[in-house]
Amino acid sequence: SQKIEQNSEALNIQEGKTATLTCNYTNYSPAYLQWYRQDPGRGPVFLLLIRENEKEKRKERLKVTFDTTLKQSLFHITASQPADSATYLCAPGGGGSQGNLIFGKGTKLSVKP
Amino acid sequence: DAGITQSPRHKVTETGTPVTLRCHQTENHRYMYWYRQDPGHGLRLIHYSYGVKDTDKGEVSDGYSVSRSKTEDFLLTLESATSSQTSVYFCAIRGTSGSVIGELFFGEGSRLTVL
Repeated sequence: SQKIEQNSEALNIQEGKTATLTCNYTNYSPAYLQWYRQDPGRGPVFLLLIRENEKEKRKERLKVTFDTTLKQSLFHITASQPADSATYLCAPGGGGSQGNLIFGKGTKLSVKP
Repeated sequence: DAGITQSPRHKVTETGTPVTLRCHQTENHRYMYWYRQDPGHGLRLIHYSYGVKDTDKGEVSDGYSVSRSKTEDFLLTLESATSSQTSVYFCAIRGTSGSVIGELFFGEGSRLTVL
């Protein structure tokens, strides 16, 4: 069955450093992959989408890579700030005819001042 | 603001009672989804809809039914609630109508407790 693993449940870093979150998937080949941010008590919010033919995508301080050979996506936040503290979810897509997303369990990022 | 409203936002009910959660959108999007989120499991798809009266099952559909009689409303029903259905339920719409690639916009969630 399709499986998604995000490298760790929690990641603690110092303000100003680069946070790197990992998403690995097995048993399928998604045509694209999305990343979401979720704050406590709120619904997830879309951040970035990267397609299988794209190696890298950037948006302000965010960067996402997609390696279809390794079956892995890396999500980077540069110059991290305490306001970046949240849970980040990866969601490879393209499963089935309707393209439903399957979500990883998320990584909780804490940025300390 | 994607124009998604979930109701109720909080509900406590007894085992065996029926429960209906409502998701309302103002954007006229074709695809709508119901997810549940539990510690240790993340977001799991319950049911989804790709049009009025067109619905299908997700990975955790047992014990749930859905209906979509209007584009703007997607209802999730627990016919006989059990304690294992205690969870936070999220409704989502797909942002790109007509395409299978598109970001999801989520509602604020409905916290259901089954005693």
